[in-house]
Amino acid sequence: DAGITQSPRHKVTETGTPVTLRCHQTENHRYMYWYRQDPGHGLRLIHYSYGVKDTDKGEVSDGYSVSRSKTEDFLLTLESATSSQTSVYFCAISGDRGSSYNEQFFGPGTRLTVL
Amino acid sequence: AQKITQTQPGMFVQEKEAVTLDCTYDTSDPSYGLFWYKQPSSGEMIFLIYQGSYDQQNATEGRYSLNFQKARKSANLVISASQLGDSAMYFCAMREATGGGADGLTFGKGTHLIIQP
Repeated sequence: DAGITQSPRHKVTETGTPVTLRCHQTENHRYMYWYRQDPGHGLRLIHYSYGVKDTDKGEVSDGYSVSRSKTEDFLLTLESATSSQTSVYFCAISGDRGSSYNEQFFGPGTRLTVL
Repeated sequence: AQKITQTQPGMFVQEKEAVTLDCTYDTSDPSYGLFWYKQPSSGEMIFLIYQGSYDQQNATEGRYSLNFQKARKSANLVISASQLGDSAMYFCAMREATGGGADGLTFGKGTHLIIQP
């Protein structure tokens, strides 16, 4: 199994509070991604990173920011959480060549509830 | 328009039968990749199989094969000899190469497969 961990695995917070989710990989892969999963929508891309300090927006980036200061860590921050950000958040990684590029592996997910 | 369409919200299949899960996609990019994932009730996303747009042969991984029909923009997943443990949500996804490869995947809404004994 690909070495991807997410923390926390579960979090309940209140509207208006900041929240940071962490993704950590041990595969030394170049690309990292944050997705959210909601009923009826499948998974949707929030932000992605193509290297240290290199990030870009995905389909549903409003209200989220990311940072990647090390190859192994990719942080997702909700500056001021809203109830619409209640979701399951998945981190994913892939390499930049060969078979590691053709396989995008996912972390175990973080279930976030915003009250 | 949706980029990935999975037309079967749910399917019931008898154990040991073969299963075909439908996926059609929409892209104007000549270089793209197609992925299938399994999500059991425990919630993790399990990578199953990958097909590149330039691959000449259909991808296979154990009991999984991808029926890739490029002209029809179809990438159906075939599971041979289904097992009770195959019961799960299945997602089709696509990566387009326009962003230099770093872009994430676009997912379909999934098919809920239930294998009956």
